[in-house]
Amino acid sequence: DAKTTQPPSMDCAEGRAANLPCNHSTISGNEYVYWYRQIHSQGPQYIIHGLKNNETNEMASLIITEDRKSSTLILPHATLRDTAVYYCIVSSLYNFNKFYFGSGTKLNVKP
Amino acid sequence: DGGITQSPKYLFRKEGQNVTLSCEQNLNHDAMYWYRQDPGQGLRLIYYSQIVNDFQKGDIAEGYSVSREKKESFPLTVTSAQKNPTAFYLCASSMGLAGVLDEQYFGPGTRLTVT
Repeated sequence: DAKTTQPPSMDCAEGRAANLPCNHSTISGNEYVYWYRQIHSQGPQYIIHGLKNNETNEMASLIITEDRKSSTLILPHATLRDTAVYYCIVSSLYNFNKFYFGSGTKLNVKP
Repeated sequence: DGGITQSPKYLFRKEGQNVTLSCEQNLNHDAMYWYRQDPGQGLRLIYYSQIVNDFQKGDIAEGYSVSREKKESFPLTVTSAQKNPTAFYLCASSMGLAGVLDEQYFGPGTRLTVT
């Protein structure tokens, strides 16, 4: 599976958009990009996934570059409850969804 | 409510004792997973099971054992052979359909402390 690189931490003001980057330069054609988040001492929560098109749901938007070597998770209006560690994961359908969770990005939303 | 339950939330054991962590799901999922998380680190896969009576080792299976006798249950035993058992343990499940995008649902975790 391709591995990912994320900044260890980011700050965001409450009400502003939070843009979390992820590099996955070794991603292969059949690998999807997933985003999960983990609020302190809880289990991770699924946010969104995509293959090559941009995706949006009620929680976030996912922008994947045309070469698929990087992506950005966007939380359009961050709240204090969005403070969490965000994990970017790449995985193929053929690896039985065995996810590699790196260290993620700690997003600090500040009032 | 559908979901995954792990019990207990906190567990304390003496060194040299085996301990079993419970994981139950009522989502009718075929696949189940166990992860370990150390402070400030990401999750690492211990074992996973795609179907009842079958399971495979993950990246850090040494010192752990599992069973999958029922679809809804996937208990993890931390044996005395595990050198550094103190950690946060997370169980997850997914539909487990081969070749289909399949998100994982996580339980609340069990924090194990061995002294």
